[in-house]
Order: sequence, then structure tokens, then C-alpha cells
Amino acid sequence: ETGVTQTPRHLVMGMTNKKSLKCEQHLGHNAMYWYKQSAKKPLELMFVYSLEERVENNSVPSRFSPECPNSSHLFLHLHTLQPEDSALYLCASSHDRGNTGELFFGEGSRLTVL
Amino acid sequence: AQSVTQLDSHVSVSEGTPVLLRCNYSSSYSPSLFWYVQHPNKGLQLLLKYTSAATLVKGINGFEAEFKKSETSFHLTKPSAHMSDAAEYFCVVTAYNAGNMLTFGGGTRLMVKP
Repeated sequence: ETGVTQTPRHLVMGMTNKKSLKCEQHLGHNAMYWYKQSAKKPLELMFVYSLEERVENNSVPSRFSPECPNSSHLFLHLHTLQPEDSALYLCASSHDRGNTGELFFGEGSRLTVL
Repeated sequence: AQSVTQLDSHVSVSEGTPVLLRCNYSSSYSPSLFWYVQHPNKGLQLLLKYTSAATLVKGINGFEAEFKKSETSFHLTKPSAHMSDAAEYFCVVTAYNAGNMLTFGGGTRLMVKP
């Protein structure tokens, strides 16, 4: 138990569906992250939030839409995804953005796009 | 710019024998270096970190790594492998000039044979 909880753990969706991934951290951290982990590729940073403000957006397609309503919760809204978006999506948190080396990860949401 | 290369995508050892996972990095500034471990169907967990203090760093579960600036290496070692060490290991670099954002290596899958 790392203090970072992701739901759902598994999600299968069609290309026309809309779904959301949820992340919650119970560590009192101020920064939260979304990473994409695909087979045979290094971990890719998607979004960074610090104190609920988005501070990084690594050229992620607009079909991925993050939301951070407060410092404990982070969402990734998904719509009109492509099969190549199938991957493990990992949420992480850190005490603050300047301390990004020490990340606490959730167990991930395994997404399959049909 | 910074980068990290994990020299082996797969390493197989017998239980009770030493483990060596190799990592080379490139960074324009003094780097911070980390090793993370990911067990099957789990998120990443920090094993150990180097942040310009002692060059030999000890982590959890008996792992350690040595920072060698002249060789730009940060190899991960363990004297005696245990079955529970079977996992994927990621070498990670960050530096102040990269906004403290992490760059992940491609990962090394460690297999431990009985």
C-alpha cells in the first residue's frame, strides 16, 4: 500500500466511449502526475499538477483530458481513444514538484481500447 | 539534455547468486539518480536514490548502487538474489536544468531461477 489509489484497475472501452480514470492520494502531497506505460517503451510523463494547477503537459493528444479538483484527487478523462492508447496508466504523487525524484505510484489502470 | 540507458532488457540469475543491473546516464548538470522497482501488476516503488552525497547508496531489500561519475554509470547490485526480487527495474535520472523532471530508462526485467 503506497498511499496512492487508482480506480478502476482494468478498463475496456470502445473508440467512441467516454470514461474516466481516478487517482486519490492519502499522503498530503502537493504534486500529482499521470504517466503512460506502454510495452517496450520508456515511461512517458503525460501531465503534472502542482497545488491543483497544471504545470506540465507533454504534448498529449486532446482526447486525454486531466482534471485536478483538489490536491488529493486527479482524474484522466478519456474520449474517442485509439487502439494505440491501450496501456497501463500510472498515477503518482510527490511532496512537491521540486521533489520529483521521490514519487509514490499507484498500481495503475490497465486500459484496453478496442 | 539528459538521458539514461539500461544496457540489458532482460537479466536472468539463479537464486542466491549476485545481481547486476547496468545503467548509464547522460546529464549536462550534476544529476540525481534513482532506481525504481515494479513487481507484476503493481506500480513503481523507489528502491534507492543518489543526490550528490555518498557515492555508494544503500536501498531497500539489500540492493545498493554506486555512482561513478567518470564512467557515467549507476549500476544496481545485490549480493544474493531472492525469488521475490523478480521484477522490472528502472533507472531514472533528473537534474536541476531539466526542471527536476524525471527521465526513465527502458527497464530491465530480472528473472530469478530456483
